[in-house]
Formats: sequence, structure tokens, C-alpha cells
Amino acid sequence: DAGVIQSPRHEVTEMGQEVTLRCKPISGHDYLFWYRQTMMRGLELLIYFNNNVPIDDSGMPEDRFSAKMPNASFSTLKIQPSEPRDSAVYFCASTLDTTYTEAFFGQGTRLTVV
Amino acid sequence: AQKVTQAQTEISVVEKEDVTLDCVYETRDTTYYLFWYKQPPSGELVFLIRRNSFDEQNEISGRYSWNFQKSTSSFNFTITASQVVDSAVYFCALSEARSGGYQKVTFGTGTKLQVIP
Repeated sequence: DAGVIQSPRHEVTEMGQEVTLRCKPISGHDYLFWYRQTMMRGLELLIYFNNNVPIDDSGMPEDRFSAKMPNASFSTLKIQPSEPRDSAVYFCASTLDTTYTEAFFGQGTRLTVV
Repeated sequence: AQKVTQAQTEISVVEKEDVTLDCVYETRDTTYYLFWYKQPPSGELVFLIRRNSFDEQNEISGRYSWNFQKSTSSFNFTITASQVVDSAVYFCALSEARSGGYQKVTFGTGTKLQVIP
């Protein structure tokens, strides 16, 4: 398997624009996680899915953020409208199950909102 | 509350020196897991080790070793004979069970290790 694949790797957008980040988890993994990494706050869990169903979105900062997982091989994280403070590296991760297994991370999307 | 503290923000060592990265955690659970991840300059997080709360045996993997001590709530990571390729940010993480079988994972703030040739 190629691992968790995220796209794009880098995204620069203007404030107010819609941004969509994409993730393809490892085939067969039941759980998918979206994290955000910033210097100030470190790694924060935004939302996670189990079998394509959102389980916990308590980490989503605002209503401007939304995530979907239409099928087992694809998920999106959307920010609309984007703001400069959303600038961060966004990671997608997947795990085989949640019984304390390690997460496999994608390479991240570096988002810059100007 | 669940918490992971990595007090060392940055460490610099000269190649071939040994270095220990500290991790202290807080939890009320008796069953939990601890992890270490490596984040090289390329950006992705790479899993290094998982240790459950009932297994306090130290583990060695090549130049890497981990010391888990429940008495001090610590899970420290030692790199022996460090190499330039070890330069990265290292994260300690704590996983606890939550309803529905989900593990809630809390990451520390990371320790940036720079190995100088």
C-alpha cells in the first residue's frame, strides 16, 4: 500500500476563499483522523471517522470547518471561508482499528491563508 | 485530565553522542498506551513504538531504547550514538479508552532534536 495520501501538499489561498483538503486512507483501515499542527497549539485532533461515519468532531474549531467521508477510500476537510489563522499543516491519519493501534499519517497539507 | 509533557523544546547534540528525550504523562486510567512518533524535516509523522500500561519492560531497537516507569509517569526515549539522520521532531503521545471503543490520543508538544555532524 502507498500509505495515507494527502493532496495538495501545499495550498496558498486568499482570505475568504474556500479550501478543500483531500485524503486517501490506507485500504482496510476503519478509522480516519484529521489533525492540525501549529507552532502555538501543537497537534490537535479535529475530527475522526469510523467506517465513514463521523464519530467525534469536538475538535473542529468553528462552523467554517467541515469534513466528509463519502466512502472508505476518500475524505475531505473543507474550510469556508478561510482565514489567516487557519494557516497550519493539516494531517490525515488512518488506523486499522482503534484498539490502541498506531496511526499512519499522511505527509500533510501545508495551508497558508493570506 | 489527560496530558503529555515534553519539557525539552529543542536539543542539540554532536553526532555520536547519546541523547535522551523526556516524556511525562498524566492520566486517571489504569489502561492506556504510550507512543513515540518521529517527524523528520520532510513532515510526515512516523510511528516508532507503542507501549501498554501493563508492560514496563524497557525496549531496545537498534540505537533506540525506551524506558517506561509508571512510578514516575515517564516514558523516556534514548538514542545511542546519534546520527545526523536522527534530526527530527519527536512526539510522545498518550492513548486512553473512551466510549465506543475509541482511543483518545493526546500528543505532547514535541522535542526538536538537532544532531550536528
